[in-house]
Amino acid sequence: DAKTTQPTSMDCAEGRAANLPCNHSTISGNEYVYWYRQIHSQGPQYIIHGLKNNETNEMASLIITEDRKSSTLILPHATLRDTAVYYCIVRGYAGGTSYGKLTFGQGTILTVHP
Amino acid sequence: DGGITQSPKYLFRKEGQNVTLSCEQNLNHDAMYWYRQDPGQGLRLIYYSQIVNDFQKGDIAEGYSVSREKKESFPLTVTSAQKNPTAFYLCASSPAGFTDTQYFGPGTRLTVL
Repeated sequence: DAKTTQPTSMDCAEGRAANLPCNHSTISGNEYVYWYRQIHSQGPQYIIHGLKNNETNEMASLIITEDRKSSTLILPHATLRDTAVYYCIVRGYAGGTSYGKLTFGQGTILTVHP
Repeated sequence: DGGITQSPKYLFRKEGQNVTLSCEQNLNHDAMYWYRQDPGQGLRLIYYSQIVNDFQKGDIAEGYSVSREKKESFPLTVTSAQKNPTAFYLCASSPAGFTDTQYFGPGTRLTVL
């Protein structure tokens, strides 16, 4: 699976949009971009995933660049409860004995301020 | 409500004792997983199961055992052979196999004294 690079930490004011970047320059054509978040001492929460088109759900939007080498997770109206570690994961399915393992890196610590 | 439950949330055991962590899901998912998370580190896969009565070792299976007798349940036993058992244990499931989105339970924090 391709390696991802995320900023160590980011701040955001409550009510504003939080834009979390992720670089995945070695991503291959059949690899998806997944986002999870983890609030302290809780299990990771799935947010969104995409292949090449932009995606939106009730939690967030995912913008993937045309060359697919980077993406941005957008939380449109951040709240204090969005304070968490956000993980960008690239996950492939092609051949071999891939068993869907998720590889979590260090992630981005997002702190939402009042 | 559908979801994944893990119990208990906190567990304490003496060194040398085996301990079993519970994981139940009512999402009708086929695949289930066990991960371990240590402070400041990512998740590491212990075991996974794609169907009932079948499971496979992950990256760090030594000192652990699992069973999958029912679709809804995937208990993990931490044996005395596991050298560093103190950790945060996470169970996950996915609808139809390994390439589907995985959803996580709340986790069990095991402390071995």
